[in-house]
Amino acid sequence: SQQGEEDPQALSIQEGENATMNCSYKTSINNLQWYRQNSGRGLVHLILIRSNEREKHSGRLRVTLDTSKKSSSLLITASRAADTASYFCATDGDSNYKLTFGKGTLLTVNP
Amino acid sequence: GAGVSQSPSNKVTEKGKDVELRCDPISGHTALYWYRQSLGQGLEFLIYFQGNSAPDKSGLPSDRFSAERTGGSVSTLTIQRTQQEDSAVYLCASSLDRGPRNGYTFGSGTRLTVV
Repeated sequence: SQQGEEDPQALSIQEGENATMNCSYKTSINNLQWYRQNSGRGLVHLILIRSNEREKHSGRLRVTLDTSKKSSSLLITASRAADTASYFCATDGDSNYKLTFGKGTLLTVNP
Repeated sequence: GAGVSQSPSNKVTEKGKDVELRCDPISGHTALYWYRQSLGQGLEFLIYFQGNSAPDKSGLPSDRFSAERTGGSVSTLTIQRTQQEDSAVYLCASSLDRGPRNGYTFGSGTRLTVV
């Protein structure tokens, strides 16, 4: 089943602007995670937010979680060309040991 | 090793042939996962190994797919009689223990092309 759904599917911004990506999910979760993927290869874990947390920061990343709306957002501030990648949210709602990934948001940061 | 290692990086095979994909997880990680990613799609769960427990094979798409994990370390994903729809990037990930509480570490994947 498709648990996480990212929105938008694609986002193009200029360097220095902020990028916001959203994720919606269907079942209750213990945590929600965001990953980045460059060039269709391995994913890199960015940040994890637990179900009892509402906001979390890591460097230029800010993640929010609204469990009542079953949604999360990832904000990248002061974007750089190197942030160009696909971003995926992943949840553990279907199982307590495996993650279910959405289809991702393709972010393009133009120099 | 320092990360999750997958081999080969790329594999082109003829339809009907068998292929083996290898994953070497981070030392000490007891959980190992295989996912498949078709072009422009999200990740599709295939199989999960945790220690000596029976694997969760619920994501394997057909009986042509099988996987083993020997000695709680290296894993091999085998696809028999490959079909063109098997073309995808096969990603392996490992985590420290049962449950994705600290995030997965992914390998760089094997890009499989069936011609």
